[in-house]
Amino acid sequence: TQLLEQSPQFLSIQEGENLTVYCNSSSVFSSLQWYRQEPGEGPVLLVTVVTGGEVKKLKRLTFQFGDARKDSSLHITAAQPGDTGLYLCAGAPTPETSGSRLTFGEGTQLTVNP
Amino acid sequence: NAGVTQTPKFRILKIGQSMTLQCAQDMNHNYMYWYRQDPGMGLKLIYYSVGAGITDKGEVPNGYNVSRSTTEDFPLRLELAAPSQTSVYFCASRVLRRRAGGELFFGEGSRLTVL
Repeated sequence: TQLLEQSPQFLSIQEGENLTVYCNSSSVFSSLQWYRQEPGEGPVLLVTVVTGGEVKKLKRLTFQFGDARKDSSLHITAAQPGDTGLYLCAGAPTPETSGSRLTFGEGTQLTVNP
Repeated sequence: NAGVTQTPKFRILKIGQSMTLQCAQDMNHNYMYWYRQDPGMGLKLIYYSVGAGITDKGEVPNGYNVSRSTTEDFPLRLELAAPSQTSVYFCASRVLRRRAGGELFFGEGSRLTVL
């Protein structure tokens, strides 16, 4: 069973601060996805990283996949109240074949205070 | 732009009652999933399906059952509801992309309370 550990579990910061969320495993993943979930809604995909060492940017959000494809991080620059939500990482197994499932981390609940 | 549609959005059950959560997707996705999410927590996989007629257990299948008679529909059946099944249930669908993971599309969730 592949496990993904996310940290921190809870994060409360002031508007304008920077933050990093981590997603770690002892297993290798073929790809890793980050989702954001707002209250009362289903998670929505932010990004998929596929190649070891890959860095992707989405406005103020920077996603990195570890060289060994076992870990990932999400960095938010100058956080805004609109960034508030539950951030989830999800890993796809190697190899990803028919019948395989994504493994989800426990999530990081981010609150950005005005 | 329907995507994944779940019904009902809210339901209160008494202990021992049964019910079915409905899920339908209009994207012709082969893969469909049922997750449960407890407050402030991540997603736990209950059951999944890789195509019509094929289903398999996830991490927490006890107390639930599924069927997949069509590509579009993936209902989740709760038999003999228990307070431990109080949760928010999400249905999701996906196209498997070998190189890029394949995005999960989620419904809006069904909030179930068992009293």
